[in-house]
Amino acid sequence: AQKITQTQPGMFVQEKEAVTLDCTYDTSDPSYGLFWYKQPSSGEMIFLIYQGSYDQQNATEGRYSLNFQKARKSANLVISASQLGDSAMYFCAMREGSLKGFQKLVFGTGTRLLVSP
Amino acid sequence: NAGVTQTPKFRVLKTGQSMTLLCAQDMNHEYMYWYRQDPGMGLRLIHYSVGEGTTAKGEVPDGYNVSRLKKQNFLLGLESAAPSQTSVYFCASSYTLGQGDTGELFFGEGSRLTVL
Repeated sequence: AQKITQTQPGMFVQEKEAVTLDCTYDTSDPSYGLFWYKQPSSGEMIFLIYQGSYDQQNATEGRYSLNFQKARKSANLVISASQLGDSAMYFCAMREGSLKGFQKLVFGTGTRLLVSP
Repeated sequence: NAGVTQTPKFRVLKTGQSMTLLCAQDMNHEYMYWYRQDPGMGLRLIHYSVGEGTTAKGEVPDGYNVSRLKKQNFLLGLESAAPSQTSVYFCASSYTLGQGDTGELFFGEGSRLTVL
């Protein structure tokens, strides 16, 4: 079963507008973590934001925020005031289990975002 | 700050040839990983290591072997390359959970491998 689902292969947004990239996840573990990574055309993986399952508030990092809806099992990334440099592939990932011991990250298939002038 | 370094960055192989990808990290991380990235499939875990001298299989381990003789290095080997192994390979490392807060992965820049 797909643990991380990103249903938008591609998204378009105009510069300075906000955009939401969707991510849903599947887990029966009460303790988990959700990540978003950015992959620009140069290929490197850049960590953007993290949300723990027990975090009371939605995570924010500058122009990035994570819209965490636990009951719906969704962890959408919101980018405010898009910039041309935001054009990239974006991956959602999940770590299951508590913070003790080893857990792997499972990635979604990604969403390619294109920001137009 | 070097972080996670992968060598080589690019390689072209013929079917049946062997090669080794080297990953080195200078952050004293316990955990290290090898992922492959293919179009439309995201990143899939090949093998991982929870410490020096240990390795374990991930989601797609067939056709690959790994070794972690030193804490800072994690090697990925292809004994007999196949065209299906054409991919971009990423090495990553992370803290032992408890030292870091999130289990965030720190990635290398990737290695593009083509098997003809």
